[in-house]
Amino acid sequence: DQQVKQNSPSLSVQEGRISILNCDYTNSMFDYFLWYKKYPAEGPTFLISISSIKDKNEDGRFTVFLNKSAKHLSLHIVPSQPGDSAVYFCAASASGSARQLTFGSGTQLTVLP
Amino acid sequence: NAGVTQTPKFRVLKTGQSMTLLCAQDMNHEYMYWYRQDPGMGLRLIHYSVGEGTTAKGEVPDGYNVSRLKKQNFLLGLESAAPSQTSVYFCASRVTGYGYTFGSGTRLTVV
Repeated sequence: DQQVKQNSPSLSVQEGRISILNCDYTNSMFDYFLWYKKYPAEGPTFLISISSIKDKNEDGRFTVFLNKSAKHLSLHIVPSQPGDSAVYFCAASASGSARQLTFGSGTQLTVLP
Repeated sequence: NAGVTQTPKFRVLKTGQSMTLLCAQDMNHEYMYWYRQDPGMGLRLIHYSVGEGTTAKGEVPDGYNVSRLKKQNFLLGLESAAPSQTSVYFCASRVTGYGYTFGSGTRLTVV
């Protein structure tokens, strides 16, 4: 049973518009959430994270929102750029577990020029 | 700084053959992890290590063994490769906190 789910395998948006990527989780022990970005033939790279004590974290064009009651988080990219085209993975971890990351299946974002 | 280096980048194995994937990090990180990535499945944890000389099982450990004899190296072994082990393997490391540094991956095909 997947504890972290990304239900949209792909998303296409126009350059300059907002991209919204969604992620749901089932394990209530998760207390830290991260988004990773992955280009083909490269390893995932860290993008942005949020602790469960917050409901929003912003870093430049990237904002992550956390809704604990709904067990849902989302990544907003504004404005979207063609270089943002990549696979985005949502990940979660719980304390006391060697901080293992549990990943979602990923969303392929394509930003059209 | 090279970060996390994985060797080899590509490999084709015949069913039943064995091989070892090497992960090396030069950041003095305590924690190291091996993940596999399959289409539609995201990354799944195979084994991990919380320090030199320690290893532990992750979500999908069957068919794999690991060793962490030196702090900077984490080896993943396949004793008898099976087609189900065809995947892209990623190694990652971290010191404290939550940020992982990933290698660029090893693409393994078992025929």
